[in-house]
Amino acid sequence: EVQLVESGGGLVQPGGSLRLSCAASGFSFSSYWMSWVRQAPGKGLEWVANIKQDGSEKYYVDSVKGRFTISRDNAKNSLYLQMNSLRAEDTAVYYCASNMDVWGKGTTVTVSS
Amino acid sequence: SYELTQPPSVSVSPGQTARITCSGDALPKKYAYWYQQKSGQAPVLVIYEDSKRPSGIPERFSGSTSGTMATLTISGAQVEDEADYYCYSTDSSGNHRVFGGGTKLTVL
Repeated sequence: EVQLVESGGGLVQPGGSLRLSCAASGFSFSSYWMSWVRQAPGKGLEWVANIKQDGSEKYYVDSVKGRFTISRDNAKNSLYLQMNSLRAEDTAVYYCASNMDVWGKGTTVTVSS
Repeated sequence: SYELTQPPSVSVSPGQTARITCSGDALPKKYAYWYQQKSGQAPVLVIYEDSKRPSGIPERFSGSTSGTMATLTISGAQVEDEADYYCYSTDSSGNHRVFGGGTKLTVL
């Protein structure tokens, strides 16, 4: 079964850091672009970042550039999102997606004091 | 920054055809994708590359494009199709992805 499972979410204070992980199974992880997408409470979907199959290309939405870093470990079938200097507006459910056609169930990040 | 524009809401009666539009300057050259998201659930891809339907998606879902507008059509909408629908594409460089603001479809 094709599956993506996110983890690492939680409550963090403004200015803090968090690292999200996404474990992939049931498909050839190393063959696909991977993405992070987030959804703030009651809001729409927002693409956050994506990474090429070999990690050689990475792109970010302007609002997270310089604060978030996307990475992957193909040997571990895992995708990561390192989030630094977190702000209240980063509060959201974070989804990982493979080739934008398979999605995980999401992990919740809350930035609050 | 690049934007995709969708109507906030569309309402139809069961059995009618629902059309949800998405406009963006790069759509003549970049593919549109459509996602369905029901309350509390992760999004599901219903149309990819403008008009292709993934396996398992009912035939009543179709997609089309014309100029700077992409359209998701649900022919004979059913109550279970009530959801938020998002279009998705890239800017002209192909490097930055964007979602439309979403359209709430009501079928009643």
